[in-house]
Amino acid sequence: ILNVEQSPQSLHVQEGDSTNFTCSFPSSNFYALHWYRWETAKSPEALFVMTLNGDEKKKGRISATLNTKEGYSYLYIKGSQPEDSATYLCAFRRSYNTDKLIFGTGTRLQVFP
Amino acid sequence: DGGITQSPKYLFRKEGQNVTLSCEQNLNHDAMYWYRQDPGQGLRLIYYSQIVNDFQKGDIAEGYSVSREKKESFPLTVTSAQKNPTAFYLCASGANVLTFGAGSRLTVL
Repeated sequence: ILNVEQSPQSLHVQEGDSTNFTCSFPSSNFYALHWYRWETAKSPEALFVMTLNGDEKKKGRISATLNTKEGYSYLYIKGSQPEDSATYLCAFRRSYNTDKLIFGTGTRLQVFP
Repeated sequence: DGGITQSPKYLFRKEGQNVTLSCEQNLNHDAMYWYRQDPGQGLRLIYYSQIVNDFQKGDIAEGYSVSREKKESFPLTVTSAQKNPTAFYLCASGANVLTFGAGSRLTVL
C-alpha cells in the first residue's frame, strides 16, 4: 500500500506569521501531486496540481514546491490570515493510467487573530 | 453553478439496515469517486467510476456497492455487511483535479 504522509498533523500560528508544511510520497513512478484546502463545513478545493520535478506554484500568499526525486512537496503560506484556517490535504497519483489519488491525513492549520 | 450535490448531509441508521447516499454532478465529468474519511486518517477510496455502466473497487470496497446508470449520478449503498459504517463520506468527480461534494455524515446507532 502506497503511503502519503503529511506533517505536522496540526499547526497553530498567529496572524501574520508565515508557515509551511510537508507532504512525503513515494518517489518511484511519480505522475502528479495535488494540494487541496478543506475549510470546515465546506468541500475540499484544489489549490495546485504539480507534475514536474522542481515545479513551483503560487496562488496569492500560498505557494508550493515539488521534489519528485526525493519524494516531498512543501506548502508555504506567507503572512497567515484567519481565513487560511483549514485542513490542507496532499494527494499523490502514481502513473498516468492509474485513476486513484492517494491522500495524506492532512495538516490542520489554525490562524489566531 | 456547476458542482456536486450530496444528500443527505446527515444520516442515522440502525445496525443491519442498508442506506444509500446520493451523489449528483452537473459538471459533465466522466469520472466519479467515493471516499471515506475517519478521524486521523486520510481520505480512502471506496469505489470509482470512469464511465457510465462501469465502476471499480477502491481500497476499502467491502460492505459497499455502487451503480453508474447515468453520467450525472453515482449513488453509494452502505450495506449491513460494512462493519464500521459510521464515517464521513465524500463524493468527487473529475479526470485530473477533483471537485468534491460537501459530504454526508453517516452514524450507525
